[in-house]
Amino acid sequence: DIQMTQSPSTLSASIGDRVTITCRASQSISNWLAWYQQKPGKAPKLLIYEASSLESGVPSRFSGSGSGTEFTLSISSLQPDDFATYYCQQYSVYSKTFGQGTKVEI
Amino acid sequence: QVQLVQSGAEVKKPGASVKISCKASGYTFTSYYIHWVRQAPGQGLEWMGIINPSLGSTTHAQRFQGRVTVTRDTSTSTVYMELSSLRSEDTAVYYCARDLRVTTPFDYWGQGTLVTVST
Repeated sequence: DIQMTQSPSTLSASIGDRVTITCRASQSISNWLAWYQQKPGKAPKLLIYEASSLESGVPSRFSGSGSGTEFTLSISSLQPDDFATYYCQQYSVYSKTFGQGTKVEI
Repeated sequence: QVQLVQSGAEVKKPGASVKISCKASGYTFTSYYIHWVRQAPGQGLEWMGIINPSLGSTTHAQRFQGRVTVTRDTSTSTVYMELSSLRSEDTAVYYCARDLRVTTPFDYWGQGTLVTVST
C-alpha cells in the first residue's frame, strides 16, 4: 500500500492566519491527491482533487499544490468555520489510503 | 440528489460479526464503486475495501483479509459490509463512500455507522 504522511499532526492558529499542511506519499502518485475536511461527528467533505482543483462550492481561500510525492494544502485566511481536521488521500490505486490527519485548532 | 444512507449503530460482543448496509439513491448504482472506510475513536481514516456494484468483485486491505465480506444487492441498490471475529479494536465509525473510477476521489459519503465492540 502507498503510505501517506501528513505534518503537522496539530496546528494552532488564529482567525486570519495563513496555514499550510504538508502531505508526502511513499511513492509517486502523480497528481492523484485529494484533501478532505472533517468536523466532529460528520463524514469527511471533499475540498481539493487532482492536487490543486477546487471542488465546487469550496471557498477560494483553500488551495492545493504539488505533484509526485509532495503536496500542500493552504488556507489563505483562516475563518472560524475552518477549525477542523484535514486529511490527504491518494487515489492513484484502488486502495485509496489517507494521511493520519491534521487538526487545525485555535 | 445523491445519497448514501447507512444502517444504524450496533453493539456487539467480541468474537461476533456485524453487517452494515449502505443504500444508494439518486444515481445509477452500478456506475460507481463503493468503498468502506473506518475511523476509530479519535483516530484517522482507514481504507478497508472496495466493491464494484456492477460485477460484485471486491478488493480489501490486507489487514482485513479473511474477516471482511462485502456484497451488493442491485435490486435495492444496497451494499453490505460484514466484519467477523470482532475485537475491541474494531470499535469505530464505519463509512461507505463512492467514486467513479480509480482516478477520482470520494465525492459522496454515507453518514457513518458506529460499531461498538464490548463485553
